Amino acid sequence: DTGVSQDPRHKITKRGQNVTFRCDPISEHNRLYWYRQTLGQGPEFLTYFQNEAQLEKSRLLSDRFSAERPKGSFSTLEIQRTEQGDSAMYLCASSLLQGNEQFFGPGTRLTVL
Amino acid sequence: GQQVMQIPQYQHVQEGEDFTTYCNSSTTLSNIQWYKQRPGGHPVFLIQLVKSGEVKKQKRLTFQFGEAKKNSSLHITATQTTDVGTYFCAGRGLDNQGGKLIFGQGTELSVKP
Repeated sequence: DTGVSQDPRHKITKRGQNVTFRCDPISEHNRLYWYRQTLGQGPEFLTYFQNEAQLEKSRLLSDRFSAERPKGSFSTLEIQRTEQGDSAMYLCASSLLQGNEQFFGPGTRLTVL
Repeated sequence: GQQVMQIPQYQHVQEGEDFTTYCNSSTTLSNIQWYKQRPGGHPVFLIQLVKSGEVKKQKRLTFQFGEAKKNSSLHITATQTTDVGTYFCAGRGLDNQGGKLIFGQGTELSVKP
């Protein structure tokens, strides 16, 4: 399967714990995006990378969130000191160029107790 | 900041009836994309519109981009049960060099056989 993959698919954590998610994009895609989706809403942009450079981060994103894409391939999204409001589906997407369609992964569903 | 509004939020139709969802942006868009998300699934790209007044068709689906490039619509003729899901529009602003998408809230379509 050459699609976008995400790991883990589900994560349950206690409030205050740190969590890290991984995204493996389609191999030749140089752009990688992170979105967050809550029930009944569309995906909300968090941040994106072009190769290894993080070029934009949503102003809605608190300092507890950090993302990396160290070698321009896979990416990680870390949430520190999780809060109940962080519970959501975290979606990763990749694309070739900015104008192209984005291919979404299956997402990581985070539940913060 | 840029906002994308979508109506209606829900639409319940009898199989064979038509369906339309409307998308409005607070700012002029460089292009707009449409995605479909099946229940429990992730967004899947349907189409991209770039030109003012553009109309594109995919079998029973017709997509339009407004003259002012601030609104768009998706029309499905003679719905089928396979059309069930949530349809999202996603816009890209004129000053957006990064390719990030601003999603609408989506229209959830249910089709009664």
